[in-house]
Order: sequence, then C-alpha cells, then structure tokens
Amino acid sequence: DQQVKQNSPSLSVQEGRISILNCDYTNSMFDYFLWYKKYPAEGPTFLISISSIKDKNEDGRFTVFLNKSAKHLSLHIVPSQPGDSAVYFCAARGDTGTASKLTFGTGTRLQVTL
Amino acid sequence: DAGITQSPRHKVTETGTPVTLRCHQTENHRYMYWYRQDPGHGLRLIHYSYGVKDTDKGEVSDGYSVSRSKTEDFLLTLESATSSQTSVYFCASAETFSGANVLTFGAGSRLTVL
Repeated sequence: DQQVKQNSPSLSVQEGRISILNCDYTNSMFDYFLWYKKYPAEGPTFLISISSIKDKNEDGRFTVFLNKSAKHLSLHIVPSQPGDSAVYFCAARGDTGTASKLTFGTGTRLQVTL
Repeated sequence: DAGITQSPRHKVTETGTPVTLRCHQTENHRYMYWYRQDPGHGLRLIHYSYGVKDTDKGEVSDGYSVSRSKTEDFLLTLESATSSQTSVYFCASAETFSGANVLTFGAGSRLTVL
C-alpha cells in the first residue's frame, strides 16, 4: 500500500525552464510534507518542507505547493539549473506515538539539459 | 567532521551469513532510523530508535534487528542474509519529534547478498 506516490519516474527539462515534480498521498493524517534531493552515491538531503496548514512555501528557486483536497503536492524549480539534476523524493510525516516517521515516494529523476 | 557516517560503505556477502551495518552520528540526535532503498520502492523504513535502548519496527522489519546502546550508534543486523536483502541502506537521524522532522542521512551502505 503505497501511501506516497510519485507517478513520474523521470523528467527532462531544459536549463532555465521550470521543473515541476508531482507527488500524491493517500493518508489525510500526514501533517508535514518534505522534498529531498539525492545525488548518486550520496544520501538524500533535505530541500524544502510544507506544513499541512499551508498551501505554499518558497525558498529561493524552490516552491512547494500543497492541495489538501486533492491530496497532491508539487515542487517547482525556477529556473532549472544543470546542478539540479538528481533524484527527488517526496516524503510525508506521520506520528507513531514514540517518534515521527517519514514515508517516502519512489522518486523522480530530474535531468536538466543544456 | 560532524554528521552521520555509515560503515561499511560496500559489502558483498553470501546467503545465510550474518551482517551488521553501523551508523554513527555526532549530532547528539535522539531519533535514529534505518531505511532501505530499492528501485520502484523508494526509501522504506526498517527500524527506528527514539532513545538509547528504545527501538521499534518500521514497515519492512522482517529479517532485521537493531540495537542502540549509545546515543551516537545505531546498528542494523541481518541475522541470516538473503538475496532479497540486497539493497542500499541509509541511516538517518533527527533532533526532534515534532515539526517537519527533517532527517539527516548518511551516505549509504551498499549490500550485495550472493
């Protein structure tokens, strides 16, 4: 039962254009959503997060939008740069009672071309 | 250098042998996690710890055990490795229970079970 889904395994975007990565979730109890970026042979690194009570959060070139009614979030990268080429994971926070727990999507590989 | 280190970074072993992966963090974080990454599955939680000697199961805990005798160390043990446990394993830590629960990840341990 995949609670967090990223339906696009890959995305190719030209440098300078906008990259839009999408994520859907099924559990309405998730209270935070995060995006992580992963380069080959490295661990994921935190990029940006959004609380479930917000609908938008912006940090420089990165903006995350949350549509709670649709259980959908998206990450916008503007303008895209070659260094943005990586795998992006969407994650959602749940509460186990003893710790919080992130549930990850399957990832989207972004390639930014020159 | 502060952060999370995992050892070994690469290991090849045979079916039926025990394997222990080590995670060491210098952040004094209370919460630690073990995830595995597989194609088509993203990152899945194996076990987590919410304090010294306090651990609990994640979504894919069968065949794995963990121990945490010190704040800084979190060990993942495969008692009898199987080919289905071939994967990349990531350790992570977090300071808090609440909020966005941003995890800091190690660089990963690639395990191959022949």
